[in-house]
Amino acid sequence: GAGVSQSPSNKVTEKGKDVELRCDPISGHTALYWYRQSLGQGLEFLIYFQGNSAPDKSGLPSDRFSAERTGGSVSTLTIQRTQQEDSAVYLCASSLVVAAFNNEQFFGPGTRLTVL
Amino acid sequence: ILNVEQSPQSLHVQEGDSTNFTCSFPSSNFYALHWYRWETAKSPEALFVMTLNGDEKKKGRISATLNTKEGYSYLYIKGSQPEDSATYLCASQTNTNAGKSTFGDGTTLTVKP
Repeated sequence: GAGVSQSPSNKVTEKGKDVELRCDPISGHTALYWYRQSLGQGLEFLIYFQGNSAPDKSGLPSDRFSAERTGGSVSTLTIQRTQQEDSAVYLCASSLVVAAFNNEQFFGPGTRLTVL
Repeated sequence: ILNVEQSPQSLHVQEGDSTNFTCSFPSSNFYALHWYRWETAKSPEALFVMTLNGDEKKKGRISATLNTKEGYSYLYIKGSQPEDSATYLCASQTNTNAGKSTFGDGTTLTVKP
């Protein structure tokens, strides 16, 4: 079956522009997660959704970052007024549920964002 | 331990060697510990999820153990092969916020033929 997909795969933008990253989770997965990996760093948690709700937004780096999920499916991560430090690979993952002993997360291929 | 820490940061071994690496995580409010394998140009792939103290999981030549009381997990690879070359990540979940997985920085394994 189809895995997690993300678009675009690469995005180059100019400082100050807004960008929107999209994630299509595996069908039937109620939980969706956003992470980012900056150069030389580990995976950083940004936000997760249970259905369309985001119980924990504490990982969003600043108020320029926002995310939403509609219909319990597609999610978009929006970065407003991008800065060079936003350059990173943004990964999306989904799992059947959040709080279960076997909530294996399936990752998408990522979006590489470069802010010039 | 306040964060998830992995050691060593990188490891170079010869084909056929057995190797192991460590993941340390906060033992309080423990919920689950995950291991992922991340090959270059691919997405992270789940290896194991462990929840109980003393858990041991095995998949082929790769196995993992869990000690929740002291907050560590070991990943073992027996008879390393070049295709095992990847970054191995562990991630911890707590029962106070199960949706938030905290990842370590990973151990990058290179297996030379």
